[in-house]
Amino acid sequence: AQSVTQPDIHITVSEGASLELRCNYSYGATPYLFWYVQSPGQGLQLLLKYFSGDTLVQGIKGFEAEFKRSQSSFNLRKPSVHWSDAAEYFCAVGAREYGNKLVFGAGTILRVKS
Amino acid sequence: EAGVAQSPRYKIIEKRQSVAFWCNPISGHATLYWYQQILGQGPKLLIQFQNNGVVDDSQLPKDRFSAERLKGVDSTLKIQPAKLEDSAVYLCASSSAGGSWNEQFFGPGTRLTVL
Repeated sequence: AQSVTQPDIHITVSEGASLELRCNYSYGATPYLFWYVQSPGQGLQLLLKYFSGDTLVQGIKGFEAEFKRSQSSFNLRKPSVHWSDAAEYFCAVGAREYGNKLVFGAGTILRVKS
Repeated sequence: EAGVAQSPRYKIIEKRQSVAFWCNPISGHATLYWYQQILGQGPKLLIQFQNNGVVDDSQLPKDRFSAERLKGVDSTLKIQPAKLEDSAVYLCASSSAGGSWNEQFFGPGTRLTVL
């Protein structure tokens, strides 16, 4: 069965500082990997996805993520955080064998201090 | 293009009452999902429809939850009777079908509070 672990419940960074949110997954083969962002009262918005190929993927809003098969990780990064990035971030795993089903991590709440 | 619509946005009920949520997916999307997001957790899939047929309802508590998508377009999720632990945000998502993967687009959710 697929599972996703986001070890950090809360992270606080200063505006302009770099950010890394951690995500580890468990799956037998190479899964499809996703990062979503959820602002208060909003639905989930897809930031980026990894299916295959280049292990460094670029997303919207200046985010990127790197797939590391040896570590079963898919960490999200941003070189310079803006106050508007404060939100909750979810890592998710999917597999075609599971019929387009997504399994989400518990989320990481990002706070940005000025 | 209009996104996924959900209503109501908020609902407060007492335990043992019933409640229904409505979802209208993006036009043309054959696949519709209902997720339950409990505070402090990630969304969990309750049920997945392909057109008006159920693809996966393995995590739906069928003794109290039901869902339908009669004409393969909009969908209703019902809880009867509600329990305190049903307090959560209920998210609807939709995607097109076919291909190796189809991006899911999420609605704003319905926040349910059971007192």
